[in-house]
Amino acid sequence: AQKITQTQPGMFVQEKEAVTLDCTYDTSDQSYGLFWYKQPSSGEMIFLIYQGSYDEQNATEGRYSLNFQKARKSANLVISASQLGDSAMYFCAMRARRSGGSNYKLTFGKGTLLTVNP
Amino acid sequence: DAMVIQNPRYQVTQFGKPVTLSCSQTLNHNVMYWYQQKSSQAPKLLFHYYDKDFNNEADTPDNFQSRRPNTSFCFLDIRSPGLGDAAMYLCATSRDRGLNTEAFFGQGTRLTVV
Repeated sequence: AQKITQTQPGMFVQEKEAVTLDCTYDTSDQSYGLFWYKQPSSGEMIFLIYQGSYDEQNATEGRYSLNFQKARKSANLVISASQLGDSAMYFCAMRARRSGGSNYKLTFGKGTLLTVNP
Repeated sequence: DAMVIQNPRYQVTQFGKPVTLSCSQTLNHNVMYWYQQKSSQAPKLLFHYYDKDFNNEADTPDNFQSRRPNTSFCFLDIRSPGLGDAAMYLCATSRDRGLNTEAFFGQGTRLTVV
């Protein structure tokens, strides 16, 4: 079974500083994909960044980067130069093959609530 | 412009009274998903459609049903809502069910059961 663990229910960061949101995952599959989504109070899930299990380099998208440590099964999100608009819930998610299945289910962690202070 | 649209944004229903939530998409994606998200919990996949093929999750209660009359629309029907069904319901779409396929989400419908 696939599992995503986000151990930080809430995080605080000062504006313009960097913050790391933790994510660990568990799967027996060799092929999987890791995603981070942002959910503002408005409710919509916004895709931020993707990392494939075979990608050798850490993914980056603007101020977002993913610190992928495959041996530790961790995929931490790093947000540089935090902005007030970054305050939101952040979800780590994984696509891995279903047991006995032919497609990939997207499974989410419980999320981390990030608050950026001015 | 919104690509996955959920209506209504907020829904209040009475205990036991059937309710339908709707989702539409302009992306022409093959796959449409329904997730249930309760407070402080991970979004939980209820079911998804791959084209017209319905795929139920093993632990989704029978109280939850879905319809997809065409590519653009998908409905979530709750036959007899209980207090425990109060949650945010998220609709999502994706091009396919591949490993690296991003899912696009709507803004969700917050369901209150009174």
